[in-house]
Amino acid sequence: SQQGEEDPQALSIQEGENATMNCSYKTSINNLQWYRQNSGRGLVHLILIRSNEREKHSGRLRVTLDTSKKSSSLLITASRAADTASYFCATVFRTGFQKLVFGTGTRLLVSP
Amino acid sequence: EAEVAQSPRYKITEKSQAVAFWCDPISGHATLYWYRQILGQGPELLVQFQDESVVDDSQLPKDRFSAERLKGVDSTLKIQPAELGDSAMYLCASSVRLAGGEETQYFGPGTRLLVL
Repeated sequence: SQQGEEDPQALSIQEGENATMNCSYKTSINNLQWYRQNSGRGLVHLILIRSNEREKHSGRLRVTLDTSKKSSSLLITASRAADTASYFCATVFRTGFQKLVFGTGTRLLVSP
Repeated sequence: EAEVAQSPRYKITEKSQAVAFWCDPISGHATLYWYRQILGQGPELLVQFQDESVVDDSQLPKDRFSAERLKGVDSTLKIQPAELGDSAMYLCASSVRLAGGEETQYFGPGTRLLVL
């Protein structure tokens, strides 16, 4: 079963605008990761945020984590057409043999 | 840059037939995962290997699915017999442990299965 849910399910913006997608999850986690999936392809890891971190940046990506609300957000600034993809959050809730539990995904469309 | 290899990329089969997927992880990655992704949903873990040992197959439908990683390198996922509901993307991933103990996963391109 899916651990997390992304919101919105779909997002359509123009190039240059910012895109924000949210993820909510159900149980305590060790870390949360965001992945991107281009249509019909495998997933690509974007960024990891640990449970004791509140914000992390990587290039045009900004991720926040609020463990009290069991939620995370991914912000893509100055979006490009090449950012068009599905974005998934994935939670890790155990140590040792770590298991990713993916959310339902947000489909982002960036129009030129 | 090293990549996870999967074959075939596409597979069409009839229900009740057997089908097999192959995965070659990134060299040196001890952990290997098989996921199933239904259209419009996130991937769901079917089985996780550490070297040649299964560490999690709680979501694997064992009456029809099997997975092996005999030498702790490449892996095969088999479905026999295939059912209409098995139509999905089957993704393989391998992982490396970061300095902080976390793992990030590297995914292959997937095998898209259509059962008729």
